[in-house]
Amino acid sequence: GENVEQHPSTLSVQEGDSAVIKCTYSDSASNYFPWYKQELGKRPQLIIDIRSNVGEKKDQRIAVTLNKTAKHFSLHITETQPEDSAVYFCAASIGTGTASKLTFGTGTRLQVTL
Amino acid sequence: EAGVAQSPRYKIIEKRQSVAFWCNPISGHATLYWYQQILGQGPKLLIQFQNNGVVDDSQLPKDRFSAERLKGVDSTLKIQPAKLEDSAVYLCASSSLLMTGQETQYFGPGTRLLVL
Repeated sequence: GENVEQHPSTLSVQEGDSAVIKCTYSDSASNYFPWYKQELGKRPQLIIDIRSNVGEKKDQRIAVTLNKTAKHFSLHITETQPEDSAVYFCAASIGTGTASKLTFGTGTRLQVTL
Repeated sequence: EAGVAQSPRYKIIEKRQSVAFWCNPISGHATLYWYQQILGQGPKLLIQFQNNGVVDDSQLPKDRFSAERLKGVDSTLKIQPAKLEDSAVYLCASSSLLMTGQETQYFGPGTRLLVL
């Protein structure tokens, strides 16, 4: 089955700096890549996603890039703020509709310091 | 719209006891998922329902875990008997089929289970 690796496991940046989290996936058939943010004790929340027919997507301070050839995708957060501190999970999905199944990475704990 | 609801939020039991979790998905969402999230790890899919049918239960430990979604809306996940390694957060998620064919999953707050 699909295997998703995520790096780094922890990341500390100063407020205003950029943060980059990288994920690789094993199955070239994966076609959907969401990113979730999970604050301590709360539910995972979708922050951005990208489909396999797109190379990059931006939403304000957040962007995601996808390299299908290398089978990796990355989350970029610019101008980080303290409220960006959380655990971020990448995921990969194969198939569409009822056949789609998300496989999650192991998470990156982002700490934004003042 | 209301989000995915789960109860209870917390549960402490002793090993070999039984426990059940309940999930109410977002109204109209046909697909429902149960995930297990062990501390420090990403969510792992246990079972996926489409309406009241099981789509994928390949990672569900069927000797002790069971789940049902009888009327295609609410779902319950049961563990009987519980083991220490079942201590985790159990997340329920639901999704609806988008026109693109890709589903976006929305998560509930989870049930934090501690097995002593």
